[in-house]
Amino acid sequence: GDSVTQMEGPVTLSEEAFLTINCTYTATGYPSLFWYVQYPGEGLQLLLKATKADDKGSNKGFEATYRKETTSFHLEKGSVQVSDSAVYFCALSDTQAGTALIFGKGTTLSVSS
Amino acid sequence: DGGITQSPKYLFRKEGQNVTLSCEQNLNHDAMYWYRQDPGQGLRLIYYSQIVNDFQKGDIAEGYSVSREKKESFPLTVTSAQKNPTAFYLCASSPRTGSNEQYFGPGTRLTVT
Repeated sequence: GDSVTQMEGPVTLSEEAFLTINCTYTATGYPSLFWYVQYPGEGLQLLLKATKADDKGSNKGFEATYRKETTSFHLEKGSVQVSDSAVYFCALSDTQAGTALIFGKGTTLSVSS
Repeated sequence: DGGITQSPKYLFRKEGQNVTLSCEQNLNHDAMYWYRQDPGQGLRLIYYSQIVNDFQKGDIAEGYSVSREKKESFPLTVTSAQKNPTAFYLCASSPRTGSNEQYFGPGTRLTVT
């Protein structure tokens, strides 16, 4: 079945460091891909998305490119801030709208000043 | 403001009692979802509904029940048959067209002792 694999955390960085969180997927079709962020005690917020191969999603300095050849959707940010500390989830949607997303297990990011 | 509300934010129950978690949305979305989140396990799908008066079991539906009598509302009942109900419960919604981007509520933390 479809699945999402994320790098295990926690990821600990200093402020202004470069961030990469790896995400790879397995899917039978042509999925849409998402990154969600969860701050402590809150629900998930959509960070960015890409709906077809070679699309780049971007938001708040974060970027991820949909790579079909490597089945990857790695999250990157050039300079992290303390406020970026959160849990990041990679997810895919392999079928039509209105069906559930498949999530990775999440990666905890901790940024210190 | 459009969005998803979940209430209450924290809920405490004694073992053996049923409890109902509320989820309401004013986004005019057709589809709604319930996920369970446990530490280190990501999000797991409990139930989802694509349309009023219809719903489908997810991966971990045992011990849970739902109803969808109104488009805006999708309450989840955690029954006494759920062996390990203590968790963080997240409700989400999405339109039935497009990329299946889901919008999440703030979550309810249920503790059963």
